[in-house]
Amino acid sequence: DVVMTQSPLSLSVTLGQPASISCRSSQSLLYSDGNTYLNWYHQRPGQPPRRLIYRVSNRDSGVPDRFSGSGSGTDFTLKISWVEAEDAGVYYCMQATQFPPLTFGGGTKVEIK
Amino acid sequence: QVQLVQSGAEVKKPGASVKVSCKASGYTFTGYYMSWVRQAPGQGLEWMGWVHPNGDTTYAQNFQGRVTMTRDTSINTLYMDLSRLTSDDTAMYYCTRGETGDKIDYWGQGTLVTVSS
Repeated sequence: DVVMTQSPLSLSVTLGQPASISCRSSQSLLYSDGNTYLNWYHQRPGQPPRRLIYRVSNRDSGVPDRFSGSGSGTDFTLKISWVEAEDAGVYYCMQATQFPPLTFGGGTKVEIK
Repeated sequence: QVQLVQSGAEVKKPGASVKVSCKASGYTFTGYYMSWVRQAPGQGLEWMGWVHPNGDTTYAQNFQGRVTMTRDTSINTLYMDLSRLTSDDTAMYYCTRGETGDKIDYWGQGTLVTVSS
């Protein structure tokens, strides 16, 4: 199984400042079709996760452009150019390249100061 | 718009089974992967398995022999049946939808299953 490792475990960010979350996979996430199936999700307390980014760097509809994803192979990053209060919660990466199973990172909790 | 509406919370005794449903609307039900993902209290996300667009199922190793995922295409509803429940199965269970490549885009609201004697 592909192991997804996120860092840091938690992050406290001042309103308006940038934030960055790392996600590393134990195997390359480049699929035979040329795509890399690495997604990012955001979960607020008491809510289901919501997908923010798919295939490394594509923002979902309605996701602010202050969110960006980058990376390749086994190293990926989610960046928030400046955080807003609504960005608090837990962020998860997930790989859908080598399956089964689909695997998630352990999550990064973001607190906004 | 895509909607996944799950059945209500359940309380079960150890050793029992639970069946959770997920009604889909707003898209072609048979055109997407439908996965179940669970989240124990205060923990991360764990993929349990999926129903392929063609109806085939694939289950995570951890749940083999204990989980059954089915769908009723006449009413666009997905089901997840988990047997031989223990307290470790206490969790929020989410149904999800996904395209062939990306696998998970939309999530249901979740169904809390509590296993307690």
